[in-house]
Amino acid sequence: GAGVSQSPRYKVAKRGQDVALRCDPISGHVSLFWYQQALGQGPEFLTYFQNEAQLDKSGLPSDRFFAERPEGSVSTLKIQRTQQEDSAVYLCASTTGGGRTEAFFGQGTRLTVV
Amino acid sequence: GESVGLHLPTLSVQEGDNSIINCAYSNSASDYFIWYKQESGKGPQFIIDIRSNMDKRQGQRVTVLLNKTVKHLSLQIAATQPGDSAVYFCAENINNYQLIWGAGTKLIIKP
Repeated sequence: GAGVSQSPRYKVAKRGQDVALRCDPISGHVSLFWYQQALGQGPEFLTYFQNEAQLDKSGLPSDRFFAERPEGSVSTLKIQRTQQEDSAVYLCASTTGGGRTEAFFGQGTRLTVV
Repeated sequence: GESVGLHLPTLSVQEGDNSIINCAYSNSASDYFIWYKQESGKGPQFIIDIRSNMDKRQGQRVTVLLNKTVKHLSLQIAATQPGDSAVYFCAENINNYQLIWGAGTKLIIKP
């Protein structure tokens, strides 16, 4: 596609509900990143994939967060038993290589937990 | 984390003037830095990058300056336009892939 596509754009979840956020990276991009952005702050790293391999998941806040990229293209970030502190914008980015190439970001999914 | 601040600094400039946005980074071992622009409701957009073996890099209407001695980056935007209104973030690259982001500066253009 023309850019990184994320869906849904907005998600309202009741506390305790499970959610799944989808990222379609630019076709052919090897690397995929998930970031969490709280209101008024910079994005914070969650996890990094190279093809289907999850090379770093050190930024995932708890074991309620899980990410996958089974075929090395589309990725899903799943949050189980959502809590209010999970409310944020979740950004996905993809690059042709590692981190020293231009990262293209999607518009993000704004998650609100009520 | 290393991100800083719940209060977003704001820079207000007159249309047509030059803007200078500053950023302090934290890791003296970082050797790659990027400036991003984020408009409301959108994801960050790459503006310009610089490696630590340089102290200046120019793009179209933008210049990035790097001072490794004091761990400081700046982004200069020439002849600021209304479309430049956004939040600007600097980011440092660590581990060859992970980005650590600064707090961001909101740029407001006065007509």
